[in-house]
Amino acid sequence: NAGVMQNPRHLVRRRGQEARLRCSPMKGHSHVYWYRQLPEEGLKFMVYLQKENIIDESGMPKERFSAEFPKEGPSILRIQQVVRGDSAAYFCASSPLLAEPTYNEQFFGPGTRLTVL
Amino acid sequence: GQSLEQPSEVTAVEGAIVQINCTYQTSGFYGLSWYQQHDGGAPTFLSYNGLDGLEETGRFSSFLSRSDSYGYLLLQELQMKDSASYFCAVRPSMNRDDKIIFGKGTRLHILP
Repeated sequence: NAGVMQNPRHLVRRRGQEARLRCSPMKGHSHVYWYRQLPEEGLKFMVYLQKENIIDESGMPKERFSAEFPKEGPSILRIQQVVRGDSAAYFCASSPLLAEPTYNEQFFGPGTRLTVL
Repeated sequence: GQSLEQPSEVTAVEGAIVQINCTYQTSGFYGLSWYQQHDGGAPTFLSYNGLDGLEETGRFSSFLSRSDSYGYLLLQELQMKDSASYFCAVRPSMNRDDKIIFGKGTRLHILP
């Protein structure tokens, strides 16, 4: 059973370009979370999605950032018109739809390291 | 607001025991978890406490006191490979629509 997959692992963009980050949750997992992490800092929650539904996007900037989790295919975090401050590691995590304690566990992907030049 | 407090850094010696504390202030409480993250790697789940007391998994143990809004991760027989960041995380409610809240992490340095 493959774990959470993210691609690309490393992404370099110039200021003003678009960054598109993909996340495929573990098989059977229905919930996806996106986090941002700056060097030497903790995980900052961005958005929480189910299939075709955004549950909580309170951590995501209102402009330039969007996320989706379509019925078919991976979840996508999209950053338009990137700026240097968007450089960070972006982690995706998934969790199953099961009773506790299992659903307190999140399974993280390897992350996408975004560098904006 | 919701917040979790943990020390930013802890240093210990190889072979020793270290305790990483976590206090939380959240709107509700439905479980405390711990995650480990090595430099350049992804966070990985270590343990979960839903009820008061100690949970042991090999060299790692995790403790919870709900009345004190406090928990800790105990690492025994420290090895160099335990050098990593450790995050505590709280689920504020049973509602699946409530996100898990993460602390800012404690960086554990291990000296030979």
